[in-house]
Amino acid sequence: DAKTTQPTSMDCAEGRAANLPCNHSTISGNEYVYWYRQIHSQGPQYIIHGLKNNETNEMASLIITEDRKSSTLILPHATLRDTAVYYCIVRVALQGAQKLVFGQGTRLTINP
Amino acid sequence: EAQVTQNPRYLITVTGKKLTVTCSQNMNHEYMSWYRQDPGLGLRQIYYSMNVEVTDKGDVPEGYKVSRKEKRNFPLILESPSPNQTSLYFCASTFSGANVLTFGAGSRLTVL
Repeated sequence: DAKTTQPTSMDCAEGRAANLPCNHSTISGNEYVYWYRQIHSQGPQYIIHGLKNNETNEMASLIITEDRKSSTLILPHATLRDTAVYYCIVRVALQGAQKLVFGQGTRLTINP
Repeated sequence: EAQVTQNPRYLITVTGKKLTVTCSQNMNHEYMSWYRQDPGLGLRQIYYSMNVEVTDKGDVPEGYKVSRKEKRNFPLILESPSPNQTSLYFCASTFSGANVLTFGAGSRLTVL
């Protein structure tokens, strides 16, 4: 898997958009970008994934740069419940989840 | 409801007393995995299973055993628990070849 780099921590005001960056400069052409989050001591939760086009679902949007070397997860209207650790993972789509590594992630704090 | 169920959620035990943490999923997933999470060390994979009767070591398998006799169940066995196995444990599952894991709620184990 390509290495990812994320900021250790970020803060965002409630109601504002939270933009979480991820750098993956060595990503290969067949590797997807996956995002998970872990709310305090709960099991990680899948958020979204994408290859090269921007993706949106009910939870978030994923913006991948044209060269695919970085991406941004956007929580459009952050709430206090979005306070969590967010993990960016790069993985070949059909590789399967064996040996899937979560890294340290970004600790996002939403402030009232 | 599609879910991964772990039991027990909380357990305090003593060194050397064998214990089993059960994990069951109702989504007909082929792949199942166990992780442990410790402060500052993130999520580390203990064992995983690609399908019934197929298991393999993750990054930190020492002191643990697993079995996969049925597709839905993947118990984690600590034959002789030690204090360094005090941790938060997560079970996860997904379809073969997929990277979108569904996690259980976690089992917090304390070994005295």
